[in-house]
Amino acid sequence: DQQVKQNSPSLSVQEGRISILNCDYTNSMFDYFLWYKKYPAEGPTFLISISSIKDKNEDGRFTVFLNKSAKHLSLHIVPSQPGDSAVYFCAASATGTYKYIFGTGTRLKVLA
Amino acid sequence: DAGVIQSPRHEVTEMGQEVTLRCKPISGHNSLFWYRQTMMRGLELLIYFNNNVPIDDSGMPEDRFSAKMPNASFSTLKIQPSEPRDSAVYFCASRAGDEKLFFGSGTQLSVL
Repeated sequence: DQQVKQNSPSLSVQEGRISILNCDYTNSMFDYFLWYKKYPAEGPTFLISISSIKDKNEDGRFTVFLNKSAKHLSLHIVPSQPGDSAVYFCAASATGTYKYIFGTGTRLKVLA
Repeated sequence: DAGVIQSPRHEVTEMGQEVTLRCKPISGHNSLFWYRQTMMRGLELLIYFNNNVPIDDSGMPEDRFSAKMPNASFSTLKIQPSEPRDSAVYFCASRAGDEKLFFGSGTQLSVL
């Protein structure tokens, strides 16, 4: 049972435009969400996170939005740059647990 | 800090052979995780250690898989005997307290 779902395996966006990556979760106990970015032949690296007490968190070009009622979060990248081309993983955890449950990833390609 | 160090980077072996993957976590981190990345399931948690003690190994797929953490600076994941369906990228990650996960670069395992 996939508790964290990224239904779009891939996404292509023109340089300078907005990239929107989506993530859905099923477990209502999840209260902390993260996005990780992964380049080929490297491990995932932390990008941005959000706690369930917020509905938005921004860091430079990256913004994560959380809709708790829909159990949905999204990552917005504005403006998109070729260097953003990577696989993006959504992850979720619940307070007091050690587990991060990851989605299957979305491969973003930013076209120059 | 050198980050999480994994070895080897690539491993090619024949079905039935024993495979040992190695990990050195970041110094001072008290939690260590082994993940496996596949196209179908994304990043799956295999086993979690806290203060060198295995806490949750429910993600270990079969008895052919075993993991040890003899001290705070070293962990191994062993597959014996290996099978072609074990082919994947295996990541080690470490964390201090409730902080975010830091991943190694992974081991690309191919079982022929």
